[in-house]
Amino acid sequence: DIQMTQSPSAMSASVGDRVTITCRASQGISHFLAWVQQKPGKVPKRLIYASSSLQTGVPSRFSGSGSGTEFTLTISSLQPEDFATYYCLQHNSYPITFGQGTRLEIK
Amino acid sequence: QVQLVESGGGVVQPGRSLRLSCAASGFTFSSYAMHWVRQAPGKGLEWVAVVSNDGSNKYYGDSVKGRFTISRDNSKNTLDLQMNSLRSEDTAVYYCARESSWVDPFDYWGQGILVTVSS
Repeated sequence: DIQMTQSPSAMSASVGDRVTITCRASQGISHFLAWVQQKPGKVPKRLIYASSSLQTGVPSRFSGSGSGTEFTLTISSLQPEDFATYYCLQHNSYPITFGQGTRLEIK
Repeated sequence: QVQLVESGGGVVQPGRSLRLSCAASGFTFSSYAMHWVRQAPGKGLEWVAVVSNDGSNKYYGDSVKGRFTISRDNSKNTLDLQMNSLRSEDTAVYYCARESSWVDPFDYWGQGILVTVSS
């Protein structure tokens, strides 16, 4: 199975900051990487698919990049509503696997 | 608009069975692969299973293989998850999710349904 490792596991940042979350795959997954956001008590919401494609309706301050084994999710200017947990997931092969999550707190 | 509504959750004793359903509307159900994803209380997301659009291909996560069965009825626009030999570690919120294509999975999610395995 492909292991997905996110870093950091938790972080705090201020409104307006640029935030980057990293996801590493234990083997190459091409660009088959998605990012989902989950707010407390809410349904997960996909932000990014195919490594860098923005889901319709998601603010342009979110962006994704990477291929192979290393990927990043960037929030260019953090907003208060971005407080959430972020998960990467690989869908290059089954079983699909998720990262452990990155909890983003607003300072 | 796309809607996915799970049902069938509840409290069940260890070793017993439960069947979850996901009712789909607002899109051509038979054109899309469908997934189940779960989340144990206070934990991260875990992929459970997928079924292809025509039901011919199914894959499972390691922790549920041999115990859970995913299926679909395209005439009724429903996705099911038959869960047998349930364990306490199967306690979770279960989500159904749509896959638009292999490069475009998890574009829509249901609201989730809680399954509690406890004596």
